[in-house]
Amino acid sequence: DAGVIQSPRHEVTEMGQEVTLRCKPISGHNSLFWYRQTMMRGLELLIYFNNNVPIDDSGMPEDRFSAKMPNASFSTLKIQPSEPRDSAVYFCASSPGLQETQYFGPGTRLLVL
Amino acid sequence: GDSVTQMEGPVTLSEEAFLTINCTYTATGYPSLFWYVQYPGEGLQLLLKATKADDKGSNKGFEATYRKETTSFHLEKGSVQVSDSAVYFCALSDPSSGTYKYIFGTGTRLKVLA
Repeated sequence: DAGVIQSPRHEVTEMGQEVTLRCKPISGHNSLFWYRQTMMRGLELLIYFNNNVPIDDSGMPEDRFSAKMPNASFSTLKIQPSEPRDSAVYFCASSPGLQETQYFGPGTRLLVL
Repeated sequence: GDSVTQMEGPVTLSEEAFLTINCTYTATGYPSLFWYVQYPGEGLQLLLKATKADDKGSNKGFEATYRKETTSFHLEKGSVQVSDSAVYFCALSDPSSGTYKYIFGTGTRLKVLA
C-alpha cells in the first residue's frame, strides 16, 4: 500500500517567494495533519483537517501560512511570502479518523535563503 | 497543558546492549501513548503504541508499558543493533483535552556502534 506522499522532497527558494507543499494522504483516511520540524522547536502541529474541513489551525504561525484540502486525496500548505525562519522539514500525516493512529509522510525539507 | 518529556540524547550504545529511553507525560485526561522512530532523511514511523493503563506496546523487539501511576512510557529493547540507530520520539494524544493533535517529545538520538 502506498503511504502518505509528499512533494517536493526538497525545496530551495529565496526569501519573498511563494512556496507550495503538497500531500496525498493514505486512501481511505479521513484526517490529515501538517507538522513542522525544526531543531529549536521540535515537532509542531500546524493545522489538521477532518473530512476535508479544517478543524484546528491554531498552530499556523502567521498569516503567511495557509492550508487547503480541496478533496479527500490532496492537501496543500502554502507560504507566501517565505522567510528564512520558515526553513524546516514539513511533514504531512494522515489517519483513518481523528482519534486513530497517524501515519507520516517522508517530509519536505524547505530551505529559504 | 499536556506535555511529554524525554531523556536528553544522544545515547550511544554498543551492539547487543540493553536500551532504555525514558519518557514521562503530563495529561489532563486519559491519553494514548506512542513511540515513533525517525531514520535519517525519512519521516516518522510508528514503532508501538498503548491506549490505556498497563497496556504494553511491542514491535521489532522494542517494548513500552503504559504506567499511569508514574505517568511514564519508557522504551526498552534487550539487544540493540546498528540498524536501530535513529531518533526516537515519544508522543501522546489526549482527545479529552479538546484537541486531536499529537504532543511530541523533543526526540532522543540513539547511536549503536558495531
